[in-house]
Amino acid sequence: EDQVTQSPEALRLQEGESSSLNCSYTVSGLRGLFWYRQDPGKGPEFLFTLYSAGEEKEKERLKATLTKKESFLHITAPKPEDSATYLCAVQGNQAGTALIFGKGTTLSVSS
Amino acid sequence: DAGVIQSPRHEVTEMGQEVTLRCKPISGHDYLFWYRQTMMRGLELLIYFNNNVPIDDSGMPEDRFSAKMPNASFSTLKIQPSEPRDSAVYFCASSLGLGNTIYFGEGSWLTVV
Repeated sequence: EDQVTQSPEALRLQEGESSSLNCSYTVSGLRGLFWYRQDPGKGPEFLFTLYSAGEEKEKERLKATLTKKESFLHITAPKPEDSATYLCAVQGNQAGTALIFGKGTTLSVSS
Repeated sequence: DAGVIQSPRHEVTEMGQEVTLRCKPISGHDYLFWYRQTMMRGLELLIYFNNNVPIDDSGMPEDRFSAKMPNASFSTLKIQPSEPRDSAVYFCASSLGLGNTIYFGEGSWLTVV
C-alpha cells in the first residue's frame, strides 16, 4: 500500500532561520512526488512536482529535492508569509492510482 | 481562468439531514477528485472520476456517501443521512490526466451537529 509520512508535524522558526521538512514515502514505482502549500481556510496550492531521484526544483525561498525514499523541502531564510501547512503527495505507477497525501507539516515563522 | 469552484463554502446541518456538496472543475480537465480533510486523518481520497465515469470509490466511507458526475462541468457529493463524524472539510479537485498536477477548490466546511 502506498504511504506518505511527513515530519515534523509542526515546526516553529524565527525569521531568517533556515530548515528542512521531510517527506518519506513507500510506493510501488514512483510516477511523481508533489508538494503543496495550504493556508488556513484555503485549498492546497501546487508548488512542485519531482519525478526522479536527484531532481531539484526551486521557487523563491523554497527548494525541493528527491531521493529514492524521501523528499525534502528546504526553506532558506524564511519570512512570516511562509507560514502555512506544507503537504507532500505521491503518485504511484500502478494503473488507476490517484495522489496519496501525507498529513502535512505546519510551519510557523515569527519575526 | 476560473479555478475549481465549490459550494457551499460552509454548511451547518443537523444529524440525520441530507447534505449535498457541489463542484465545478476546471474547464477541459478530464479527472475530478473528491477528498476529505480532518485533523486526525489528513487528506483522504474519497472517489475520483475520469470523463464523468467513477473509477475508484474505495475511499467512500460507507453507503451514506454517494457521488455523481452528470456532465463534464458538474459533480455532487451527497451524504444521507449525515452524522457528526462526517464533520470535515471536503475538497474537490481536478486535473488534466491522472498523474498530472491536481488543482483544488477552496473546500466545503461541513459541521454536523
